[in-house]
Amino acid sequence: QVQLQESGPGLVKPSETLSLTCTVSGGSISGYYWSWIRQPPGKGLEWIGYIYYSGSTNYNPSLKSRVTISVDTSKNQFSLKLNSVTAADTAVYYCARDMGKYQLLNAFDIWGQGTMVTVSS
Amino acid sequence: SYELTQPPSVSVSPGQTASITCSGDKLGDKYACWYQQKPGQSPVLVIYQDRKRPSGIPERFSGSNSGNTATLTISGTQAMDEADYYCQAWDSRRVVFGGGTKLTVL
Repeated sequence: QVQLQESGPGLVKPSETLSLTCTVSGGSISGYYWSWIRQPPGKGLEWIGYIYYSGSTNYNPSLKSRVTISVDTSKNQFSLKLNSVTAADTAVYYCARDMGKYQLLNAFDIWGQGTMVTVSS
Repeated sequence: SYELTQPPSVSVSPGQTASITCSGDKLGDKYACWYQQKPGQSPVLVIYQDRKRPSGIPERFSGSNSGNTATLTISGTQAMDEADYYCQAWDSRRVVFGGGTKLTVL
């Protein structure tokens, strides 16, 4: 079955860029929308944005000025870049798949295990 | 911006029915879904498109959505259902999550 795995640095300095990659295994990245979602320690979920396998994107307006999501279909991966980070960006970052194939159903049926990113000098 | 409001906590006795609400302006005009998250684990989708259950989700989980409120109902609640539950909807091209509800089974 399809599995997602996040990877990237667990510690980022303030004002620098957070970079994460999600690798899709057990299935193709094609045909689906792929999202990044984060969860600060002890708090709720926040959607960061999504990318369609074709490359079109949509971001949370609250983060849009700092976020870039890209896709590499040849590697079955998609990536997140969040620049100018502060301590408020400290969170568990999840990648997730929208369950609709060739359509957006706005429900995430597959999630990665999550990766903790701490912003600190 | 659109907001979804959930009660911070709900308690239920084993075997009883738990109801968790999610409120938002004209939420019934949108699709709502629900996630279960246990400590240290990733969220799991338990209801999508208001009332549909993904494969593998027990029948005791059900959902409804009307007016301004979506509701997740767990019938015959078991100890294993103790978790945080999040509702989620889509508004103005943006995914929105509720603040989460901690379900305690005692």
